[in-house]
Amino acid sequence: KAGVTQTPRYLIKTRGQQVTLSCSPISGHRSVSWYQQTPGQGLQFLFEYFSETQRNKGNFPGRFSGRQFSNSRSEMNVSTLELGDSALYLCASSPGLVDLGTQYFGPGTRLLVL
Amino acid sequence: AQSVAQPEDQVNVAEGNPLTVKCTYSVSGNPYLFWYVQYPNRGLQFLLKYITGDNLVKGSYGFEAEFNKSQTSFHLKKPSALVSDSALYFCAGYNFNKFYFGSGTKLNVKP
Repeated sequence: KAGVTQTPRYLIKTRGQQVTLSCSPISGHRSVSWYQQTPGQGLQFLFEYFSETQRNKGNFPGRFSGRQFSNSRSEMNVSTLELGDSALYLCASSPGLVDLGTQYFGPGTRLLVL
Repeated sequence: AQSVAQPEDQVNVAEGNPLTVKCTYSVSGNPYLFWYVQYPNRGLQFLLKYITGDNLVKGSYGFEAEFNKSQTSFHLKKPSALVSDSALYFCAGYNFNKFYFGSGTKLNVKP
């Protein structure tokens, strides 16, 4: 099976812009989670989608949003970018039937905000 | 508050020596516990997990982890370290559909 894919791999944006990141989970996986990884804060949970519904949410401002499509692909959007949003954004998928179980991570999208 | 702690930012070990990367958790109920490894410019790779049963869990690449409920710990171990084990290691706890990650420990294995 193909692994989790994320596009684009690298992005450079300026403050105030908005950005959309994409994640395609492993075939058959219905749960997609998003994480922000920074050197100072480590790995922070953003949100999780299961069957097109947001099932869990971390403690991020409303500028961070996401959605999931019927084919389980997910997008994450960040509006009004700030310098502090520069990070590696990781997507993880799991079967997510009864619970998340083991998550499988994509390579990440590295976002740089100037 | 639920949390997972990795008390060491960095662990240095010589190749061939045993290694231990520490993790303690404060996650309610009977959490699942995981170890993931991250190589430079890569996503996290699953190493092993504990759900229930035997306290010693064996995983990928010769790693194992010992679950200790009384000490709320889940330390990662390997009997003989390799230079290629050098990477960033994350411990995670899972309960009620949420993951709680530790801050990561950088493992340096010197030849």
